[in-house]
Parts: sequence; structure tokens; C-alpha cells
Amino acid sequence: GDSVTQMEGPVTLSEEAFLTINCTYTATGYPSLFWYVQYPGEGLQLLLKATKADDKGSNKGFEATYRKETTSFHLEKGSVQVSDSAVYFCALSDRDDKIIFGKGTRLHILP
Amino acid sequence: GAGVSQTPSNKVTEKGKYVELRCDPISGHTALYWYRQSLGQGPEFLIYFQGTGAADDSGLPNDRFFAVRPEGSVSTLKIQRTERGDSAVYLCASSLKNPGLAGALYYEQYFGPGTRLTVT
Repeated sequence: GDSVTQMEGPVTLSEEAFLTINCTYTATGYPSLFWYVQYPGEGLQLLLKATKADDKGSNKGFEATYRKETTSFHLEKGSVQVSDSAVYFCALSDRDDKIIFGKGTRLHILP
Repeated sequence: GAGVSQTPSNKVTEKGKYVELRCDPISGHTALYWYRQSLGQGPEFLIYFQGTGAADDSGLPNDRFFAVRPEGSVSTLKIQRTERGDSAVYLCASSLKNPGLAGALYYEQYFGPGTRLTVT
């Protein structure tokens, strides 16, 4: 069945560092791809999405590009802030709309 | 407007007891989803309602789990004879998805804050 694999955490970076969180997926169809974020004490929020190959999703300085040839959707940000500390989930959804999540990557940003 | 709300926020119960978890979706959202997030894991799909009916219950782990949405709005997830392995955060989400209408291929799911269930 469909699945998502993302890099394990925790990831610890200094403020203003460059961030990459790797994500690859397996799907039989042509899924939509997402990154969700869970800030401490808050609910799950959609960070960005891409619905077809070569689409780039972006929000709050984060970006991810839907790469069909490598089945990847890596999350990047050029300069992280302490407020970006959270758990990040890569996810996909096929035509049936159930979302399949990766295990999550905890990100710590040090001031 | 109001988001998805879930009650209670925390529930502690003894092994073998029955529990009910409630979800109030965003007003007007026809689709409702339940997910379960175990410690250190991503959320896992349990069941999807379109209106009053369960369109997909393939994620329910066994027959101790049951969910209803009798009026197409509020939903209740019911767990019988709870086990320690049921301890998790139960998340609800809703969306505007409606297969009966032509529209976008993708409808964002909005998540509630979750109910943390602890079975002792």
C-alpha cells in the first residue's frame, strides 16, 4: 500500500541555518503531497501542499517540490528561526482522501 | 470562525472500560475523518464519514472500535473493552469534500486539537 518515509529526528540546528527534511513516498496512483506541522501544545496544521508533479508548495519560508521521478517531497527552509521548532510530518493523499503520514521529524532550533 | 473541536481533551480510563470521544466539525463540512496518533508516530487513518454514512472504515483496528455521525455533523468514536494499547491521541478532521458536487480535486482537512486517551 501507499506509504511515506521521512528522515528520523530529532534534528537540531542553530538559528539562521539551512534546513532540509527528506521525504520519499510510495504510491500506486498520483497522490497529493503535504507537509504538516505540529507546534508544541497545538494541533496539526497544514504547512504546504503540492497536488501534481513539479508543483512547488511554499508557506512561511518553507518550500517543497513534488518530484515524481525520485518520488520525493523534501522540505527546505533557507534560514530557520527558534519559532520553527516543532514536529514536521510528510504526508500523501490519494483519490480516497485518507491521509497517510510519515512518522514525523522533531526539529529543535537553538538561539 | 470556529475550528474543529474535540472533547474531552484528556481521558483516563481503566482497562476494560468503555469510552466515547466526541468531534464537532467545522460548520458546513460534510466530510469527517478520525485518525489515531500513537506516541512517536504519525497519525493513522481510522474512518471517514461523508454525511451520515461511513464511506471508508478500513482503518478501524478491530470490532471494539465504532464511530457514528447520526445527523451528519457531530461524530462520536466509541471504544469498547479498552486495552492499554489503545492509549493514543485521537484526532478528528473535517473538510468540504462532497463527491456529489463538481469541484476541486483536493479539499483541505482541518484538524482538531485531539483527545489524549490513556488506558491504565
